[in-house]
Amino acid sequence: QVQLKESGPGLVQPSETLSLTCTVSGFSLTSYSVSWVRQPSGKGPEWMGRMWYDGDTAYNSALKSRLSISRDTSKNQVFLKMNSLQTDDTGTYYCTRDSPGFAYWGQGTLVTVSS
Amino acid sequence: DTVMTQSPASMSTSVGERVTVNCKASQSVGTVVAWFQQKPGQSPKRLIYLATNRHTGVPDRFTGSGFGRDFTLTISNVEAEDLAVYYCLQYDSIPWTFGGGTKLELK
Repeated sequence: QVQLKESGPGLVQPSETLSLTCTVSGFSLTSYSVSWVRQPSGKGPEWMGRMWYDGDTAYNSALKSRLSISRDTSKNQVFLKMNSLQTDDTGTYYCTRDSPGFAYWGQGTLVTVSS
Repeated sequence: DTVMTQSPASMSTSVGERVTVNCKASQSVGTVVAWFQQKPGQSPKRLIYLATNRHTGVPDRFTGSGFGRDFTLTISNVEAEDLAVYYCLQYDSIPWTFGGGTKLELK
């Protein structure tokens, strides 16, 4: 069955870089696209960016200068890197198979930006 | 960017009632809209895709409608398990954007 699982550090220092991994199973990254979505506590979700099935990427312009998404198809993993973290980057980060239509989501990983 | 304006932000209901949640897009998105239900501590769960298609296993009391700029999620015969936050999402044009959410509570 389709599964996605996020992993990474729970705590990041301000101004540091966040690195997250999404490990998928049950489908191929060369056939389906995966997005990253984040959600501050008590607020709505925000789409961050996408790794297309063909290896191309798309980013939310609000984050584009700080964000990079890559993948390792041999390991079934999609990576997120975002630099210059601030306290308002605190929240739960999800990866989701967005094609078609965001049907499958990981459990999310809570990232806290604090010194 | 396409802004999804969702209303109301919260609503109180009773078991058995019918409720509607609305999303208005700042520009036409065709039918490329999804609706999600989110309970505390859980990931969003897709209910509806392409505006009107119910996700596998979603009860038929959940109905999506709309086209262009105006979209509605209707929950008929609300059950206690439906108490959650609901979000719309347009995935027609990047950046894909979510509505602000509607919290459904019991009276």
